[in-house]
Amino acid sequence: DTGVSQNPRHKITKRGQNVTFRCDPISEHNRLYWYRQTLGQGPEFLTYFQNEAQLEKSRLLSDRFSAERPKGSFSTLEIQRTEQGDSAMYLCASSTERRTGKMDQPQHFGDGTRLSIL
Amino acid sequence: AQSVTQPDIHITVSEGASLELRCNYSYGATPYLFWYVQSPGQGLQLLLKYFSGDTLVQGIKGFEAEFKRSQSSFNLRKPSVHWSDAAEYFCAVIGQGGKLIFGQGTELSVKP
Repeated sequence: DTGVSQNPRHKITKRGQNVTFRCDPISEHNRLYWYRQTLGQGPEFLTYFQNEAQLEKSRLLSDRFSAERPKGSFSTLEIQRTEQGDSAMYLCASSTERRTGKMDQPQHFGDGTRLSIL
Repeated sequence: AQSVTQPDIHITVSEGASLELRCNYSYGATPYLFWYVQSPGQGLQLLLKYFSGDTLVQGIKGFEAEFKRSQSSFNLRKPSVHWSDAAEYFCAVIGQGGKLIFGQGTELSVKP
């Protein structure tokens, strides 16, 4: 178990630029979640995948945001035309889903990507 | 709607003293509850979880939490705090689709 890996750890970019983050989940985990955390707040849900299917997107995920998980393994989160308000920590988490469908498996988090918009 | 409230934004305790961090949840059915800890610039580490059964759950690093349905609470406790426990603590409940709904967090400072 190598844990959830996120790259890059830090990203500094100018307003209006596009950025892409990558998340490599724990290998046997079929669920992958993206969260956003701003200073002094708890993480907020953005979207999640079960295998390669994106099953839910939060209202926080504007049309400038897109996430993919093409082969059901790693995932990317892209932000187009970045704005000051996008500055945050972007966290990825993964978990397994039981065959019973119970959502009782804990999510394991990566160390996050901190995005700073100049 | 499901929600989690952590009433205390910041708590300071002396090293060796006991600790209790409060968490209240709003959820229609039996909740799945978690406590996570986050050190500065890091991701979240799972301390403990409650799904069913015994309402007193034990976690890592000497932490425990008690689920009280009548009070809609899931408070985190530790009998003797160490300086290394200084961090941000988040309570969370599983929402629809398995996503986590977090509280605002409680920042713990430890005095020598």
